Amino acid sequence: QKEVEQDPGPLSVPEGAIVSLNCTYSNSAFQYFMWYRQYSRKGPELLMYTYSSGNKEDGRFTAQVDKSSKYISLFIRDSQPSDSATYLCAMSGPNYGGSQGNLIFGKGTKLSVKP
Amino acid sequence: DAGVTQSPTHLIKTRGQHVTLRCSPISGHKSVSWYQQVLGQGPQFIFQYYEKEERGRGNFPDRFSARQFPNYSSELNVNALLLGDSALYLCASSPRGGDRTTEAFFGQGTRLTVV
Repeated sequence: QKEVEQDPGPLSVPEGAIVSLNCTYSNSAFQYFMWYRQYSRKGPELLMYTYSSGNKEDGRFTAQVDKSSKYISLFIRDSQPSDSATYLCAMSGPNYGGSQGNLIFGKGTKLSVKP
Repeated sequence: DAGVTQSPTHLIKTRGQHVTLRCSPISGHKSVSWYQQVLGQGPQFIFQYYEKEERGRGNFPDRFSARQFPNYSSELNVNALLLGDSALYLCASSPRGGDRTTEAFFGQGTRLTVV
């Protein structure tokens, strides 16, 4: 079992749809959870950062963390064609695996929002 | 404010050669991490430097090395290049490092092609 599992998609939705992206993980040591958006051939852009369990909202984006289920989600409301990108989840914890500062990423989900 | 800057943006090298990649973090950030991203995968952690000291190392061979300068910029060096080293190399900047690493902000990356 990989440490972080993320469905690579592709996921195709019509403009205006609510998008749900998810990751599961196996290591209960993870405490920090992030979502990144990556356009083709560009670096990842930080969208959301959460610590421990709970919800966080920023504009059209909502991040949820359920540590009891080891499950994190990103919701995008009123999706736009400009949201078409690969979405990566990432997580870390104190001195994870003996290597500090190590973010563990999912493979990414490729999202396409059709006009 | 300038984000994370990396140079060069693209690079083509021959097997066996050496390469140096450069990164300048966000002003005020003291931590720089390096990641390798191959096509279709999430970034893989290579190194973290915080306050000019190595704080974390991923599962990469000794051909990979890095350092951080007094102004917090960083270099990643790769010796004896292999075809499998072809990837997008990403630099990430964080306000804190070590076991206090939280969110990371990425540069646009250096695309390295080894022929």
